[in-house]
Amino acid sequence: EAAVTQSPRNKVAVTGGKVTLSCNQTNNHNNMYWYRQDTGHGLRLIHYSYGAGSTEKGDIPDGYKASRPSQENFSLILELATPSQTSVYFCASGDPGGGDTQYFGPGTRLLVL
Amino acid sequence: QQQVRQSPQSLTVWEGETAILNCSYENSAFDYFPWYQQFPGEGPALLISILSVSNKKEDGRFTIFFNKREKKLSLHIADSQPGDSATYFCAVATGGNNKLTFGQGTVLSVIP
Repeated sequence: EAAVTQSPRNKVAVTGGKVTLSCNQTNNHNNMYWYRQDTGHGLRLIHYSYGAGSTEKGDIPDGYKASRPSQENFSLILELATPSQTSVYFCASGDPGGGDTQYFGPGTRLLVL
Repeated sequence: QQQVRQSPQSLTVWEGETAILNCSYENSAFDYFPWYQQFPGEGPALLISILSVSNKKEDGRFTIFFNKREKKLSLHIADSQPGDSATYFCAVATGGNNKLTFGQGTVLSVIP
């Protein structure tokens, strides 16, 4: 079964600080995604990647950077965290050849004070 | 703009009833429509999906009805069980690009 893990699971950060959220997948999927989930908005795509070394902007990329150093790892970076970035962040992996299914991690709850 | 709309925002049904969750979208180019189920504290997981070439897809107690002309679809959960209590997300994509756009979700509560 697909396995996507995220760390940390919970994070408290200060305004203006740097935050890095990490994601690891053992599915050997080419594609990886970062979403944020907020009440009333569902899941919104921040950044995604088609493979190691590639990152693409999603629907709400402002204030976020992404890094895909390897097939397995995909990071989301908040260089200057703001309270509006308080949210639950989900990483997912998927492979178009696998029928478009995305496999989600358990989420990271981020609070920016 | 909200490309995918779900209704109702929350729904409560008795055990054994059929729950009906609705979804509509704006862009007629979308041709892949998955529904994801999310339990509290977990990530979403694919429940069932349909392609635009079909108007119905069944998987056990879960059925998607799809109306391409009206750009609407619905998820029917027959014989609802307390274990079905979760948030359900409708999503859309253009087949092959694996990039999903989600609705805002419907919170389903099934009362024993």
